Amino acid sequence: GEDVEQSLFLSVREGDSSVINCTYTDSSSTYLYWYKQEPGAGLQLLTYIFSNMDMKQDQRLTVLLNKKDKHLSLRIADTQTGDSAIYFCAESSNRDDKIIFGKGTRLHILP
Amino acid sequence: DTAVSQTPKYLVTQMGNDKSIKCEQNLGHDTMYWYKQDSKKFLKIMFSYNNKELIINETVPNRFSPKSPDKAHLNLHINSLELGDSAVYFCASSPNWGLAKNIQYFGAGTRLSVL
Repeated sequence: GEDVEQSLFLSVREGDSSVINCTYTDSSSTYLYWYKQEPGAGLQLLTYIFSNMDMKQDQRLTVLLNKKDKHLSLRIADTQTGDSAIYFCAESSNRDDKIIFGKGTRLHILP
Repeated sequence: DTAVSQTPKYLVTQMGNDKSIKCEQNLGHDTMYWYKQDSKKFLKIMFSYNNKELIINETVPNRFSPKSPDKAHLNLHINSLELGDSAVYFCASSPNWGLAKNIQYFGAGTRLSVL
């Protein structure tokens, strides 16, 4: 079946940039997403990118997509304590309505 | 206004009981979903409904039965609850039309604890 992989933990100093990486296997992926889950809270859609795009920037967030390598990354500039959360990479295709989620990367901010 | 709302937020119950979780969306979306998030935070889709019709039914025990009275509501009923059902259950919805057809918006989750 289709799979999405991401590392489980990342520690970053406050003020530095965080880069969370993700790889996926579905060649038919149409949409790729980043969701954020703060402790005890639901999933918040942070951003998404269509598979025909290479990059998307939204304030402190930059998403890069390398479709050839099936690699997606999320860069958070000037990381703040409020960015501490689990970040889920996910993908879907036009084949069905399913979103396949990665296992989430827990971002820990060091003072 | 809350876009996708689910009730209750917390549910503590005994093994063997039957319970329901309700979900409502006011986004006018056609498709709704139920996901289960286990203690390791892994998210897995359980069901999806499009306009009251079941579209996705993953390998979920038949003790779990979704019901969609209309396209704005998707409820989840669980019979004979087991310890392993303890998890956070998320409802989501998506438009199913236009460029953003697959973008899913999530509720805040229902934390189910089976004792």
